[in-house]
Amino acid sequence: DAMVIQNPRYQVTQFGKPVTLSCSQTLNHNVMYWYQQKSSQAPKLLFHYYDKDFNNEADTPDNFQSRRPNTSFCFLDIRSPGLGDAAMYLCATSRDRVGGGYTFGSGTRLTVV
Amino acid sequence: AQSVTQPDIHITVSEGASLELRCNYSYGATPYLFWYVQSPGQGLQLLLKYFSGDTLVQGIKGFEAEFKRSQSSFNLRKPSVHWSDAAEYFCAVGNQFYFGTGTSLTVIP
Repeated sequence: DAMVIQNPRYQVTQFGKPVTLSCSQTLNHNVMYWYQQKSSQAPKLLFHYYDKDFNNEADTPDNFQSRRPNTSFCFLDIRSPGLGDAAMYLCATSRDRVGGGYTFGSGTRLTVV
Repeated sequence: AQSVTQPDIHITVSEGASLELRCNYSYGATPYLFWYVQSPGQGLQLLLKYFSGDTLVQGIKGFEAEFKRSQSSFNLRKPSVHWSDAAEYFCAVGNQFYFGTGTSLTVIP
């Protein structure tokens, strides 16, 4: 089945140690999104790629970066994780930016120790 | 600016009872509106969406939602709740998904 896959499901990293989260899709969608969801809060959009065009949300910290080497893969890099970055990170895709159906992955839960 | 308000943080209903989850939005034009469900530790699953046309939208799992422009609302309904419906429900608006803060649904036997 076509889907959005996030690896790993659970990630533990040390304070200040760079970490990379992975997202892949078999839907051939143009747009890939990264959301941060803290406990009992709504998902918050960090950034998205429309094809190779990177779009950063204004309030996304510089500590968060992203790479999209090809249509299928998108990575979230946290350069120096702090305790406040512990959250669920959700990847989503859509065929286009306007309307459409968004498909979410199951998320990666990041713990910072 | 786009925004979404879900006034009810938590709702408890009995199994078999009807359900309505409220969603109010602020948007400059006719919005794209969505309802998602999230089970604990899982990603979000799309229940239904509204872009245009018929204001009563049918979704998966027996859910429906009605777009009311005059009230800026897009409330989610289900006539008979099942225990498996217990989850977090998010309303979202716009092209890039501005989410409400969610409503946690508890279903009691």
